[in-house]
Amino acid sequence: GQNIDQPTEMTATEGAIVQINCTYQTSGFNGLFWYQQHAGEAPTFLSYNVLDGLEEKGRFSSFLSRSKGYSYLLLKELQMKDSASYLCAVRDSSSGSARQLTFGSGTQLTVLP
Amino acid sequence: DTAVSQTPKYLVTQMGNDKSIKCEQNLGHDTMYWYKQDSKKFLKIMFSYNNKELIINETVPNRFSPKSPDKAHLNLHINSLELGDSAVYFCASSPDSLMGSGSPLHFGNGTRLTVT
Repeated sequence: GQNIDQPTEMTATEGAIVQINCTYQTSGFNGLFWYQQHAGEAPTFLSYNVLDGLEEKGRFSSFLSRSKGYSYLLLKELQMKDSASYLCAVRDSSSGSARQLTFGSGTQLTVLP
Repeated sequence: DTAVSQTPKYLVTQMGNDKSIKCEQNLGHDTMYWYKQDSKKFLKIMFSYNNKELIINETVPNRFSPKSPDKAHLNLHINSLELGDSAVYFCASSPDSLMGSGSPLHFGNGTRLTVT
């Protein structure tokens, strides 16, 4: 099985930087994903990490440390439209199917003017 | 438009009824999924099909039955609906390959099911 923990809520100011952490426990790590979900909408893919290090994609970056079971999503130059839930998801090769993703409960980010 | 589309978007029904949710993807993906998102926002896998074959079947009541007529469609039929079935149900698809960008899931817009 897997445990995925992330903060329930975070608040930040427009233009600032925010880091959303995710810790996980898994027996067969095979990749970590970050998704963004606006209220009432579908989750959309943001980033993927399978090796240690930082992956940068515009204003968003994601970091992974496999030895620590830890990832973070870094959002720079926050905009009001970044207010959403951010979901951490882990793929486990020891699960019934290596295609299966297990999601955390999400971090609700509120960006204030 | 290339997408994962599911219908209906909203479904309100009474306990005991039987209902279906349809899902179609035109992305050419080989694998399709059903996820349930409860009121606490947990997204939990229910089923996964790869090329019309069931590959994941989590602990889901057998009142839920997926059907995949072809690899572009995965429908969900629910019998004898209960209050606890109220949730948002998301269909998703992904390429078969596990290489490259990690084969992210592409989600449909969800079906909000309310059982009264």
